[in-house]
Amino acid sequence: KAGVTQTPRYLIKTRGQQVTLSCSPISGHRSVSWYQQTPGQGLQFLFEYFSETQRNKGNFPGRFSGRQFSNSRSEMNVSTLELGDSALYLCASSLATARSSRANTEAFFGQGTRLTVV
Amino acid sequence: GQQLNQSPQSMFIQEGEDVSMNCTSSSIFNTWLWYKQDPGEGPVLLIALYKAGELTSNGRLTAQFGITRKDSFLNISASIPSDVGIYFCAGQLAGNQFYFGTGTSLTVIP
Repeated sequence: KAGVTQTPRYLIKTRGQQVTLSCSPISGHRSVSWYQQTPGQGLQFLFEYFSETQRNKGNFPGRFSGRQFSNSRSEMNVSTLELGDSALYLCASSLATARSSRANTEAFFGQGTRLTVV
Repeated sequence: GQQLNQSPQSMFIQEGEDVSMNCTSSSIFNTWLWYKQDPGEGPVLLIALYKAGELTSNGRLTAQFGITRKDSFLNISASIPSDVGIYFCAGQLAGNQFYFGTGTSLTVIP
């Protein structure tokens, strides 16, 4: 069974540009969450999508957005990039067929996309 | 956001020693997960805990969900060099949003 796949692995962008990151969840998983990881702030939750709808959102500015497609694949977009957006962006998938389910909430991470803004 | 206090921040131990790390929170969580992250990779799920007081093992790893639901610990017995990495706890409130601890960096000296 294939794991969570994130593309690209590495990305270099300049300030002011926009970027789109992609995440393919484990087959059968319907929930995709995005996290930003930096040395100073650790792992910070961005948002979660379930069945093409944003279900949860963290405390990030509106420049950070996402979407989920009918096949559960998800994309994350960051517009007007700033130097502080340099980070490892991680995607996690889970079954999450019901909010209160036990094992369905286990989240599996991809390898991440390392974004460097110069 | 929620704050998870994870300690210790770093550990340097001899191969064969046991390791213990823990996470505490001001909030009550429904689920606790423990992850290990190697450099340049995403976190890998080690153990999941769903019930207060639950004690779960995965090989040399043992984790417990605290009775108050505000804390969890992870023990690693008889450490080996491949245990090196950063260990994260994650707590889940309602919904599918997890809050992560600041990580414990483990170095195992052969």
